[in-house]
Amino acid sequence: QVQLQESGPGLVKPSGTLSLTCSVSGDSVSSRSYFWTWMRQSPGKGLEWIGHLYSNGSTHYNPSLNSRVSLSLDTSDNSFSLRLSSSTAADTAVYYCARGWELLRTFHYWGQGISVTVSS
Amino acid sequence: DIVMTQSPLSLPVIPGEPASISCRSSQSLLYSNGYNYVDWYLQKPGKSPQLLIYLGSNRASGVPDRFSGSGSGTDFTLKISRVQADDVGVYYCMQALEIPITFGQGTRLEIK
Repeated sequence: QVQLQESGPGLVKPSGTLSLTCSVSGDSVSSRSYFWTWMRQSPGKGLEWIGHLYSNGSTHYNPSLNSRVSLSLDTSDNSFSLRLSSSTAADTAVYYCARGWELLRTFHYWGQGISVTVSS
Repeated sequence: DIVMTQSPLSLPVIPGEPASISCRSSQSLLYSNGYNYVDWYLQKPGKSPQLLIYLGSNRASGVPDRFSGSGSGTDFTLKISRVQADDVGVYYCMQALEIPITFGQGTRLEIK
């Protein structure tokens, strides 16, 4: 059973860096069949894809966040991480990690989500 | 970016009655391999999204057969043959043909 669990600070100061980690169990982040994804949902809003990365380290980012976002893998810890710099109130959201299946480009497994507020 | 437009945005349904949600994309989601890269997700209140339909018409494991997806190109539909109380939540279509991956605005299904 694949499980994903987000962790990190629930409060980030404006202009600070939002950093989250997604711990994976039941699968390896080194798997070539999948890609590892971050998405978010602002209060009362819909879903937004942030970006994803592959086991070889290659990444794709949402152009709307491109200059501020960075994703990385930690194979020793079987996790992957999100860093979003220069945070503003607009980054306040529930952040989800998910596993994408490359063959089908679909997301069968999601984390439960973590709420992050950007505020002083 | 590919824009996904859902309708209706709000869908009140009587239990046992059918329901239908439309999703239109700003460009074709049909790839050269014959697949339409569109998924349907249900986000129940306070939960993360769960996959219902992938590649336009394939039910995910464990999804009841009263859920079905259809369509090709730019027009897609999610149908629920007989709505149950447990089906309440927000339904999203999503395209994964091109980066950035984009979602529809969501359709809120409520029980009348």
